[in-house]
Amino acid sequence: QSALTQPASVSGSPGQSITISCTGTSSDIGGYIYVSWYQQHPGKAPKLMIYEVTNRPSGVPDRFSGSKSGNTASLTISGLQAEDEADYYCTSYTSSNSYVFGTGTKVSVL
Amino acid sequence: EVQLVESGGGLVKPGGSLRLSCVASGFTFSSYSMDWVRQAPGKGLEWVSSITSGSTYIDYADSVKGRFTISRDNAKNSLYLQMNGLRAEDTAVYYCARDLHRCVFDSWGQGTLVTVSS
Repeated sequence: QSALTQPASVSGSPGQSITISCTGTSSDIGGYIYVSWYQQHPGKAPKLMIYEVTNRPSGVPDRFSGSKSGNTASLTISGLQAEDEADYYCTSYTSSNSYVFGTGTKVSVL
Repeated sequence: EVQLVESGGGLVKPGGSLRLSCVASGFTFSSYSMDWVRQAPGKGLEWVSSITSGSTYIDYADSVKGRFTISRDNAKNSLYLQMNGLRAEDTAVYYCARDLHRCVFDSWGQGTLVTVSS
């Protein structure tokens, strides 16, 4: 199972909106609603930000939102803040009854 | 408060074995599926293995199938990963994570570092 494809880096100024894409296949992203997004700060464990494409766990700011179209999922951060600077990973359930993570995207706040 | 604490990492030679443990607290461990996820130094996350609450269903990434064995002891609130035939490419921080449902990993441990080197 190949990793899902994410851009290596995305940047934006405080207050701007950015979108991170995550491209897979019909055997993973395209076939299921089971897509999650994780935020990871350096030296820390990942944190769940979005699950089942669009749902936010309690405590995650509403400036984080998710969507999906075909084989591509997206994470949008609106009103970018300094603390949003981190690595972001998508993940999807697959037809092999396994999970696959994305390649990861480094978000920089200019 | 949900807590997951991994242990058992260390330096091992290629071909060697290691057993990782993850002790859970703050929730009913026996009600949840659990997973291992790893991260090689400076690299991305990689799902390793999953086990359902009653150990009925177990799955592995192709990269570790036949070499790693996941297990759990619900009486001890513990998750394990037996790693045999270790290779340099298994070098990573290994995290245990609570799996709510289909890649919803809502709680993670701090990770334990496994280094495979001669």
